[in-house]
Amino acid sequence: EADIYQTPRYLVIGTGKKITLECSQTMGHDKMYWYQQDPGMELHLIHYSYGVNSTEKGDLSSESTVSRIRTEHFPLTLESARPSHTSQYLCASSEYGGDGTDTQYFGPGTRLTVL
Amino acid sequence: GESVGLHLPTLSVQEGDNSIINCAYSNSASDYFIWYKQESGKGPQFIIDIRSNMDKRQGQRVTVLLNKTVKHLSLQIAATQPGDSAVYFCAETHSGNTPLVFGKGTRLSVIA
Repeated sequence: EADIYQTPRYLVIGTGKKITLECSQTMGHDKMYWYQQDPGMELHLIHYSYGVNSTEKGDLSSESTVSRIRTEHFPLTLESARPSHTSQYLCASSEYGGDGTDTQYFGPGTRLTVL
Repeated sequence: GESVGLHLPTLSVQEGDNSIINCAYSNSASDYFIWYKQESGKGPQFIIDIRSNMDKRQGQRVTVLLNKTVKHLSLQIAATQPGDSAVYFCAETHSGNTPLVFGKGTRLSVIA
């Protein structure tokens, strides 16, 4: 069982609200990721970070921002939520194994509904 | 663009039978592959991985096969159980320097 946590697990908010989804891991992993996933569908990479003060946009930035001030913490912020943001948001972390392995471990997800 | 895709979106098997889930990848530079299992309402869970210097790797009831010639990856589950019902994703990366690219997923349904 991976030690990666996400809060809140469920969130229902109105259009235009600013929200922050929290993600923390206690494994000391340098790499962290945010994915957006509709039920039963593929994962879309939103943002990722390979270390403190390093962030990159993925294929689907979805008008969100991230920060990486501490190794263990990688919050995702939506400045103005829209109904199109309704989805599940998954956080993951990994550590390059040096032997070519780089297994990502996922949190339980945050299911966001924007009314 | 480069992507990882799955041949079948759904797969139904009888309890006790073996399951085979397939995955095609297009990036010939990919050298590390992972299979994930995702149950409803949960995040993906690591099942098994394989590096490109291998063509087969076995775990508990699961085997991953890699055919680099045709860029094909498969996950075999022996004696499939109801608890194996989930969506299965393959993912690939190159030397761990790029984010994982995930396939579209296959939903496995086990018929009791």
